[in-house]
Amino acid sequence: AQTVTQSQPEMSVQEAETVTLSCTYDTSESDYYLFWYKQPPSRQMILVIRQEAYKQQNATENRFSVNFQKAAKSFSLKISDSQLGDAAMYFCAFRGGGATNKLIFGTGTLLAVQP
Amino acid sequence: GAVVSQHPSWVICKSGTSVKIECRSLDFQATTMFWYRQFPKQSLMLMATSNEGSKATYEQGVEKDKFLINHASLTLSTLTVTSAHPEDSSFYICSASLTMNTEAFFGQGTRLTVV
Repeated sequence: AQTVTQSQPEMSVQEAETVTLSCTYDTSESDYYLFWYKQPPSRQMILVIRQEAYKQQNATENRFSVNFQKAAKSFSLKISDSQLGDAAMYFCAFRGGGATNKLIFGTGTLLAVQP
Repeated sequence: GAVVSQHPSWVICKSGTSVKIECRSLDFQATTMFWYRQFPKQSLMLMATSNEGSKATYEQGVEKDKFLINHASLTLSTLTVTSAHPEDSSFYICSASLTMNTEAFFGQGTRLTVV
């Protein structure tokens, strides 16, 4: 069974600084997808970034980028130029490449942004 | 992105009664929807996969007679919590995807309180 591990329950970053959130996963599949979701206090889940396992290039979305290490089964999220609005719970998620579309979530990292 | 609407946003019910939560894909058809449960400060736990026109697939440990799922159309899935107890109080979230290989869009969630 696939598992997703986020070892940092809480993180803090100064506004305008950079922070990296860690995520590791375990799977026997070779084809899969990885995601980072943001859940602000409103509790609406928002997709931050996605990475297809077959792509070697790390995904980037504006200030958000990932460091995808397939062999190490690591998928960290880097937030550059942190903003107050980035404060939220961040979940790493795994989805297999098979017929099912279900997501397996990590336990989350609560990010605080200090002004 | 696509919009998934969940209703109600919050509900309070008495022990022993049943509560229905709706999940609608507003601008796309979703053959598959997912229901998650989230306890305070915890991750999302997949409860079941809702398949249009067929029976839902429940995750291990989730009582199918307790959490009834109906996916009668391509835009609507419902979760009914039957004979609710205080321990059923939680945050319930649904998600849907356009296709099997695209991102999941989440509803805004339903906070259920059983008194």
